[in-house]
Amino acid sequence: EVQLVESGGGLVQPGESLRLSCAASGLTVSDNYMSWVRQAPGKGLEWVSIIYTGGSTYYADSVRGRFALSRDTSKNTLYLQMNSLRPEDTGVYYCVRDVDSVWYFDHWGQGTMVSVSS
Amino acid sequence: DILLTQSPSSLSASVGDRVTITCRASQNVRTYLNWYQQKPGKAPKVLIYSASSLQSGVPSRFSGSGSGTDFTLTISSLQPEDFASYFCQQSYSAPRKTFGGGTKVEIK
Repeated sequence: EVQLVESGGGLVQPGESLRLSCAASGLTVSDNYMSWVRQAPGKGLEWVSIIYTGGSTYYADSVRGRFALSRDTSKNTLYLQMNSLRPEDTGVYYCVRDVDSVWYFDHWGQGTMVSVSS
Repeated sequence: DILLTQSPSSLSASVGDRVTITCRASQNVRTYLNWYQQKPGKAPKVLIYSASSLQSGVPSRFSGSGSGTDFTLTISSLQPEDFASYFCQQSYSAPRKTFGGGTKVEIK
């Protein structure tokens, strides 16, 4: 059974940083395309970033230059480093498995809440 | 960016009703269109991928259709557990994907 467990969320002030983690079991992070999707309170879903099996990373325009996605194969864990956080980055962040070629999200974590406020 | 417009944004329906939700793309996405269900406080769950393929384990009362710019999610007979929000998502512009604004299905 695939499990994705996010952690690292919390309350920070604008301009501060956070690092989210996604510990995977039942799948190998480096063998899969892995994304982060976020959801502002009461709002819709927004794709944030993806890491390909080969290590290439891509970002939504709203976070490019501020967020960095990486993985640790020894820990089978995905990381999202979030810098220069803004109030509009507030929301639940989900770690998801992105199905190759068809590109839909078939496995989701439970999410971790990030709040950016002064 | 490819914009997805869902309609309606909310609807009220009764158990047993046939429900249809539409998703219109701002440009041709072929069949790179997926549908998700989300219940309050929970992560979304994929229902339909590639416009019309039913995800394993999803009840057959859910179906999807369409191609190009116009897509439909249909629930043939609404069940109590189907009251939730539904989102479409396009992956034509992968790696960057976008979601529709969502449709909330409420009990009449």
